[in-house]
Amino acid sequence: DTGVSQDPRHKITKRGQNVTFRCDPISEHNRLYWYRQTLGQGPEFLTYFQNEAQLEKSRLLSDRFSAERPKGSFSTLEIQRTEQGDSAMYLCASSLAGQGRVFFGSGTQLSVL
Amino acid sequence: EDKVVQSPLSLVVHEGDTVTLNCSYEVTNFRSLLWYKQEKKAPTFLFMLTSSGIEKKSGRLSSILDKKELFSILNITATQTGDSAIYLCAVEALRSNYQLIWGAGTKLIIKP
Repeated sequence: DTGVSQDPRHKITKRGQNVTFRCDPISEHNRLYWYRQTLGQGPEFLTYFQNEAQLEKSRLLSDRFSAERPKGSFSTLEIQRTEQGDSAMYLCASSLAGQGRVFFGSGTQLSVL
Repeated sequence: EDKVVQSPLSLVVHEGDTVTLNCSYEVTNFRSLLWYKQEKKAPTFLFMLTSSGIEKKSGRLSSILDKKELFSILNITATQTGDSAIYLCAVEALRSNYQLIWGAGTKLIIKP
């Protein structure tokens, strides 16, 4: 499978716990994006990387969220001290720089109890 | 502020009907408009439009862009229950780099 893969597919956690999600983009893609999506809404931009550099982070993103892409390949998104409002689908996407079309992974559905 | 607005937010039709979904935008330095279909999980790509007046077509789906009036439509003819999904519109526009700005989507339900 050469598409974008995300792990885990589902995560249930208790409020206050930390969670980490992983995304493996399409191998030749140098851009990687993280989005959050709640029911009835389009994807909300969180952050993106070009190679290993994090080029932009949404100003709506709290300090509890951090993302890394240490070698310019896979990326991780960590949420510290989760809150119930963090419950959402977290989507990863990748693309080639300069190309508008992005390819999505299947997402990680987070439920914070 | 850049924005992408889709209408209607939801639509219920019967199998065989034709539907038209709308996407209007106000962005700085437009580059392209994309349509995606989202069923249960990941959005999947449908069309990318960059030029006005040129229809993109794939089977029963077609789309066209009007850069003067700043909108696009997605048409689905002879709808089938498998067309039930959320249809997302995104516009590629210049921010710090070119980014996709997403609409909220149109939830389409096709009744048998």
